[in-house]
Amino acid sequence: EIVLTQSPDFQSMTPKEKVTITCRASQSIGSKLHWYQQKPHQSPKLLIKDASQSFSGVPSRFSGSGSGTDFTLTINGLEAEDAATYFCQQSRSLPFTFGQGTKLEI
Amino acid sequence: QMYLVESGGGVVQPGGSLRLSCAAAGFRFTNYGMHWVRQAPGKGLEWVAAISDNAKSQAMIDAVKGRFTISRDNVRNTLYLQMDSLKSEDSAVYYCAKEYGPFDACDIWGQGTMVTVSS
Repeated sequence: EIVLTQSPDFQSMTPKEKVTITCRASQSIGSKLHWYQQKPHQSPKLLIKDASQSFSGVPSRFSGSGSGTDFTLTINGLEAEDAATYFCQQSRSLPFTFGQGTKLEI
Repeated sequence: QMYLVESGGGVVQPGGSLRLSCAAAGFRFTNYGMHWVRQAPGKGLEWVAAISDNAKSQAMIDAVKGRFTISRDNVRNTLYLQMDSLKSEDSAVYYCAKEYGPFDACDIWGQGTMVTVSS
């Protein structure tokens, strides 16, 4: 099973700042790494697929990068509505696994 | 508009059974693999199971193998999760999700249905 480790677990930021969340895989997963945003009492929403492809309708301030074992999610120009928990997920091999999540406070 | 609606959650005693359903609309259900993901209260996301578009392939985590069964009805556009021999650690919100493509991200998620296993 591939283990994904996110850092940090929690981050407190102010509006307009830039934040970077990292996700490290226990073995190489190529680019099969995806990022989701989950707000309280809501279901997850896909932000970035295949490490760097922005999903339809996602604001351009969200971007992803990386390959192999190290990946990052960057949010430029934070807005209050970006307060949420962010999860990475790998789909390189079964079972598909998630990172533990990063809670972002604005 | 694409959407998924889960149902079937509830409170059940340890050792009991539940069947979750996920009704799909707004897309060609038969073309996509489907997943179940769960989230225990206050915890992170845990991928549980997946089934291919034609139902010929299924996969699930070891913790539920032999107890859970994933299936689908491509006529009724509905995904199922049969959960037997339930344990307290199965208590969670269960989400169904549509995959963007094989071995790809999940792009559409339902609102979730809560399962509580308690005596």
